[in-house]
Amino acid sequence: EAQVTQNPRYLITVTGKKLTVTCSQNMNHEYMSWYRQDPGLGLRQIYYSMNVEVTDKGDVPEGYKVSRKEKRNFPLILESPSPNQTSLYFCASSLKGRQETQYFGPGTRLLVL
Amino acid sequence: GQNIDQPTEMTATEGAIVQINCTYQTSGFNGLFWYQQHAGEAPTFLSYNVLDGLEEKGRFSSFLSRSKGYSYLLLKELQMKDSASYLCAVREEDLYNFNKFYFGSGTKLNVKP
Repeated sequence: EAQVTQNPRYLITVTGKKLTVTCSQNMNHEYMSWYRQDPGLGLRQIYYSMNVEVTDKGDVPEGYKVSRKEKRNFPLILESPSPNQTSLYFCASSLKGRQETQYFGPGTRLLVL
Repeated sequence: GQNIDQPTEMTATEGAIVQINCTYQTSGFNGLFWYQQHAGEAPTFLSYNVLDGLEEKGRFSSFLSRSKGYSYLLLKELQMKDSASYLCAVREEDLYNFNKFYFGSGTKLNVKP
């Protein structure tokens, strides 16, 4: 089944404790992206990757890191989480083409205390 | 960021037609997407426009006017299951062919019997 998976789905952590949210897709998509979704603010792009080893900042990259060592995986790293990073996070992927839409993972709900 | 505006909430009756508007200001426009998102779930793709005009897809249609920075999503023969948030998203392409996405904050549609 074609899908985007994220782990964990739910996470409660404390300020400053490094964490990684994994994202994996099995559709051989070149483009992958991370978003956060907050009430009243909609989805905001954190980082994206056009292909392996090619990443760039989105709208709200502060406090986050990413890497794209393999085509299928695009982990999101919070080196020192803070309470303002409490949010719902979505990973998405798509083929690299004009008409291609993104497919979203199920989301990761993060609470930073 | 880019200015993408859509109404916060709308209510319509089962069987009726509803139009959800989206206005945007952007540079490097490379497509406008509509997504549906049920509460607690990931967004799912509904439609895509890159050229002016109407795209029809069953009960859903989407219109784009690039000169006016305007799009709408039209939902016909509303069903109760259409109660969800509808997200307008603009894709921008820069000089290096990198694609960024900007989302509106979503329109919550309530369908009543």
